[in-house]
Amino acid sequence: EADIYQTPRYLVIGTGKKITLECSQTMGHDKMYWYQQDPGMELHLIHYSYGVNSTEKGDLSSESTVSRIRTEHFPLTLESARPSHTSQYLCASSGFRERAYGYTFGSGTRLTVV
Amino acid sequence: DQQVKQNSPSLSVQEGRISILNCDYTNSMFDYFLWYKKYPAEGPTFLISISSIKDKNEDGRFTVFLNKSAKHLSLHIVPSQPGDSAVYFCAASARAGNMLTFGGGTRLMVKP
Repeated sequence: EADIYQTPRYLVIGTGKKITLECSQTMGHDKMYWYQQDPGMELHLIHYSYGVNSTEKGDLSSESTVSRIRTEHFPLTLESARPSHTSQYLCASSGFRERAYGYTFGSGTRLTVV
Repeated sequence: DQQVKQNSPSLSVQEGRISILNCDYTNSMFDYFLWYKKYPAEGPTFLISISSIKDKNEDGRFTVFLNKSAKHLSLHIVPSQPGDSAVYFCAASARAGNMLTFGGGTRLMVKP
């Protein structure tokens, strides 16, 4: 039973379209994260949030933006999709047990921009 | 500068044998280490963790070993099963509230 949900699982979209990737968690976690994973396997942190109205950019420069208006919701938006945005996007959250159990990840959104 | 490194991008093992995945780190402030498993088109799932006050932690077929002096940890899977075929990430954190630093991943293939 998933505690963190990402929709859609797969998305194929045309260049120039605006898209929003949804991420919701039911665990009451304050911290949430967005990672991008290319076929080269490495996980790149693109955004994170430590609570409502708090958002920060991660290590990898990204043209996406995020918002955190509610604790449980952390959507990611691309204003104008490009083929270079084709990737897997992973949302995660962590709470008071993060030291021993780390992050809980969603199933991811596989985005293809054509 | 990568603080957590997995130097082997891939590993192939026969079913029933031991799989050993390695991870090195450079930050001596890291004091908690975790392993994740990831199948294609899914998110990583937590496998096992170890605190720096221990040198070994075991959970079923999975054992993590930590060598602080060498700044090295390893994940042993015994016996390996075809369902273990996935990408494995090691991760480390420096203190409570600090973010995880992930390694680049190792793809494990267990052949029947």
